[in-house]
Amino acid sequence: AQSVTQLDSHVSVSEGTPVLLRCNYSSSYSPSLFWYVQHPNKGLQLLLKYTSAATLVKGINGFEAEFKKSETSFHLTKPSAHMSDAAEYFCVVSGGNQFYFGTGTSLTVIP
Amino acid sequence: DAGVIQSPRHEVTEMGQEVTLRCKPISGHDYLFWYRQTMMRGLELLIYFNNNVPIDDSGMPEDRFSAKMPNASFSTLKIQPSEPRDSAVYFCASSLALNTGELFFGEGSRLTVL
Repeated sequence: AQSVTQLDSHVSVSEGTPVLLRCNYSSSYSPSLFWYVQHPNKGLQLLLKYTSAATLVKGINGFEAEFKKSETSFHLTKPSAHMSDAAEYFCVVSGGNQFYFGTGTSLTVIP
Repeated sequence: DAGVIQSPRHEVTEMGQEVTLRCKPISGHDYLFWYRQTMMRGLELLIYFNNNVPIDDSGMPEDRFSAKMPNASFSTLKIQPSEPRDSAVYFCASSLALNTGELFFGEGSRLTVL
């Protein structure tokens, strides 16, 4: 069975400081993993995806994530937060003909 | 490509009325998904289609909900009769493939049932 757990429902950082959004997954297959971002009143947009190539994946807007099989983790990071990064972030695993969404992490960026 | 297009963007209706939400997927995408998002329940998969055929509708709440995909470029989600608890944002998404393919989301249809 596939599932994802986003360990923090809310994260607050100051502008210019690093961002870490945590995600653990469970998968019976070699998983494909995604991070999506949702800005207020918008649809979800793909940030990055892992599909069994390089374990360090770079995405848009300076975000990256590292696939760690031993830890079953796929944490999202960014070296320096920007005000425009304030949004909801979803970790997603696919497998078994489904996409499985985490419950989301709301990121607040403090000026 | 214009992306996934949903209409209407906002709908306010009264309890008991029929609601129809529409979606045009990205051309060439074989998979189409309908999701519902609420504060209480987060993002829920309602149903998905592959090549216009419904594959998994186990997330459809009850018989008041129905979805169709008459052709590769159009899908509808209908609620009849609508109830206040159906108030949510409904998203349509399309994908080239499962497992490795990404989902492309529309902007959503915000439904308010009074």
